[in-house]
Amino acid sequence: GAGVSQSPSNKVTEKGKDVELRCDPISGHTALYWYRQRLGQGLEFLIYFQGNSAPDKSGLPSDRFSAERTGESVSTLTIQRTQQEDSAVYLCAPRRAGANVLTFGAGSRLTVL
Amino acid sequence: GENVEQHPSTLSVQEGDSAVIKCTYSDSASNYFPWYKQELGKRPQLIIDIRSNVGEKKDQRIAVTLNKTAKHFSLHITETQPEDSAVYFCAVPTGTYKYIFGTGTRLKVLA
Repeated sequence: GAGVSQSPSNKVTEKGKDVELRCDPISGHTALYWYRQRLGQGLEFLIYFQGNSAPDKSGLPSDRFSAERTGESVSTLTIQRTQQEDSAVYLCAPRRAGANVLTFGAGSRLTVL
Repeated sequence: GENVEQHPSTLSVQEGDSAVIKCTYSDSASNYFPWYKQELGKRPQLIIDIRSNVGEKKDQRIAVTLNKTAKHFSLHITETQPEDSAVYFCAVPTGTYKYIFGTGTRLKVLA
């Protein structure tokens, strides 16, 4: 939606390669969430950033997954040594300070061959 | 941790009929309850939300009702139309604002 862009929109990679996905919200979004959505499935929580607090990483499925965000700027989700089960759409959803609504980006579709 | 259950997983209704989807949650600290609609190949979009200080909210053909005592909230769509066909997700933020989504309901409106 308006206020957040994700890149790349599509990524095809070979098993074992590393990938980096990017989420770029407009300013004022103090919180930012990453979700994974496998084909035909629901929204699986991965990680949540809130300002300068320590992120909630409780949803990251393995140590191959990591994410970073500095302040209220860009966030990157990195998947190392990709596996076929990592194939999914990765959705970023920022949240404005003082607001409850999550607004999703268009997502990055990852295909691991 | 927070547990969110959503039912039914699929729902088929005739055009013009009503559809109801229900979510139950476990965290009594939750105080905001949104519903998202996801059309095929698109991102989830917020369609309606409710805060815990009200029991019902309506927006044209859609409404959300909340029973905080029983820890459940429902999405109601009246006079369904083919364009209502989509997957609907409820969401519940925990006390620390970690948003957990229900498993989704695939609604099919039959013309």
